[in-house]
Amino acid sequence: GAVVSQHPSWVICKSGTSVKIECRSLDFQATTMFWYRQFPKQSLMLMATSNEGSKATYEQGVEKDKFLINHASLTLSTLTVTSAHPEDSSFYICSASRMGTDTQYFGPGTRLTVL
Amino acid sequence: GEDVEQSLFLSVREGDSSVINCTYTDSSSTYLYWYKQEPGAGLQLLTYIFSNMDMKQDQRLTVLLNKKDKHLSLRIADTQTGDSAIYFCAVQRNILTGGGNKLTFGTGTQLKVEL
Repeated sequence: GAVVSQHPSWVICKSGTSVKIECRSLDFQATTMFWYRQFPKQSLMLMATSNEGSKATYEQGVEKDKFLINHASLTLSTLTVTSAHPEDSSFYICSASRMGTDTQYFGPGTRLTVL
Repeated sequence: GEDVEQSLFLSVREGDSSVINCTYTDSSSTYLYWYKQEPGAGLQLLTYIFSNMDMKQDQRLTVLLNKKDKHLSLRIADTQTGDSAIYFCAVQRNILTGGGNKLTFGTGTQLKVEL
């Protein structure tokens, strides 16, 4: 168990449009989900932590109005990149933790390209 | 904040052992993880160790932890071409120590296995 999926796996959009990325825990309930961003050949940078039913906690320097996070259920969190620009092009990865545990299980990532 | 460092690149011959090293700064780190990332994919949890352990072995993988020096290593025995990937160490405080189960990732080590 502990499978996390993301959808879509890749997306290309025009500058100025919004893109929604879904993160699902398929076989467990995830009280906490995390969103990371990874630039080519770099490490993962945590963007925000979301707990089911409450507002996400954003890391310093991450614009909450630009990266909208919703964690409406114990198996689904969404990240919406609003008014996307080319500099938002990146690999976005989510992770999820089971209730009462610290281990994070990662999704396969979503490649976003903004033209 | 926490700083986690890894060497950027390691090249080994197939069948040899690989040792990937990681240093961290926060002595309160409670859980230490190793993740594997193949090109264009998410992160696969390989193994983890609690801070009260010195060593953990799991099939071809051996994790060594030196808390005094804040040094973590991952040894892969009988390295195969399928082991070629980027390996990330990550450290975490547990919720009880105020870490909020956030992960801090190392810079990643690119492992190349040559025939």
